[in-house]
Amino acid sequence: EAGVAQSPRYKIIEKRQSVAFWCNPISGHATLYWYQQILGQGPKLLIQFQNNGVVDDSQLPKDRFSAERLKGVDSTLKIQPAKLEDSAVYLCASSPRDGSSGNTIYFGEGSWLTVV
Amino acid sequence: AQSVTQPDIHITVSEGASLELRCNYSYGATPYLFWYVQSPGQGLQLLLKYFSGDTLVQGIKGFEAEFKRSQSSFNLRKPSVHWSDAAEYFCAVLYNNNDMRFGAGTRLTVKP
Repeated sequence: EAGVAQSPRYKIIEKRQSVAFWCNPISGHATLYWYQQILGQGPKLLIQFQNNGVVDDSQLPKDRFSAERLKGVDSTLKIQPAKLEDSAVYLCASSPRDGSSGNTIYFGEGSWLTVV
Repeated sequence: AQSVTQPDIHITVSEGASLELRCNYSYGATPYLFWYVQSPGQGLQLLLKYFSGDTLVQGIKGFEAEFKRSQSSFNLRKPSVHWSDAAEYFCAVLYNNNDMRFGAGTRLTVKP
């Protein structure tokens, strides 16, 4: 079974530039998550989709971050304009349904962003 | 406030020695509990999870964890550490069926 795919794996941009990350979840998984992991910290949820609807985006900095999941499959996370503090690993994850009953969440390898 | 605490930022053990990584959480109800491992440059891999039932949970790679409700803890253990176990370990708690909170992580170094 293919895992969660993310691209690009690594990206270096200058501050105020924009960047987009792509995620393809495990086939058939209804729920998709984007997490931000700053060096030395645990992952922090940015946004959660259930199919193509947003379940939770309370921690997404909406002035600069946006995400979409068209057709309920792939998802794109965009940052515009980027700030130095956005340097982090952006992890995409998916699970079969929502988190109820403790459905396991599977993570991709992450997209590493450095803002200079 | 809901939180997950991993008190140890960094632990060093000798190869073959036993290991215990601590995790404490705050939550009124019984949570769903997870341990993930992250090797450098890699994503998070699930080691084990607890939903209900037997409080001692077996995972992959010889790891186990014990849920102790009275202490709000879910400590990860391994009887004999291998050099390949060196990585970052994250405890996570699933709140309200949707909100997965992670601890800050514990970095494990294994001495030869």
